[in-house]
Amino acid sequence: DVKVTQSSRYLVKRTGEKVFLECVQDMDHENMFWYRQDPGLGLRLIYFSYDVKMKEKGDIPEGYSVSREKKERFSLILESASTNQTSMYLCAAGRGALNTEAFFGQGTRLTVV
Amino acid sequence: ELKVEQNPLFLSMQEGKNYTIYCNYSTTSDRLYWYRQDPGKSLESLFVLLSNGAVKQEGRLMASLDTKARLSTLHITAAVHDLSATYFCAVDVNDMRFGAGTRLTVKP
Repeated sequence: DVKVTQSSRYLVKRTGEKVFLECVQDMDHENMFWYRQDPGLGLRLIYFSYDVKMKEKGDIPEGYSVSREKKERFSLILESASTNQTSMYLCAAGRGALNTEAFFGQGTRLTVV
Repeated sequence: ELKVEQNPLFLSMQEGKNYTIYCNYSTTSDRLYWYRQDPGKSLESLFVLLSNGAVKQEGRLMASLDTKARLSTLHITAAVHDLSATYFCAVDVNDMRFGAGTRLTVKP
């Protein structure tokens, strides 16, 4: 099975801090995704990447950036954290060309105070 | 812009009953996925539907896809408490977009 690992399960940061959320996958999948999950809103796509150094904006990219320097690692960056970025963040990886489902990490619950 | 709509958002049902969750989407796609999420946990893949008319079954759950109607259904047969979870559909059009989820509670 694909394993997707997020660096932290819980994170508390202060307003204005720069925050890095790391995600690593071990199955050589081309596509990687970052979502945030909020009650009643489902999963909203922040950014995705279909190859190293490639990135595409999702529905809610404002206030976020991403980095994919290696195929197995996809980082989400909050340049200046704000309280409205308090949320559950989910990373996923999938093999784009073969139409398989995406596999999710365990999630990072970020609280910005 | 792709929109994915699920209904109902909340579903409370008794054990032994049948029900269907609906997933409508706004753009042509023949790739649709169903996921399950237990409280405090991440998402687990249930079904992958890759063509019009695709039907997949696993235990008491059956998923189908009608690409012409842009509709997928997740049918629950003779519900049991263990099926209590939140179910998401997701549509793949270059990226993957999710519905808001259906929180299912099965009561004895």
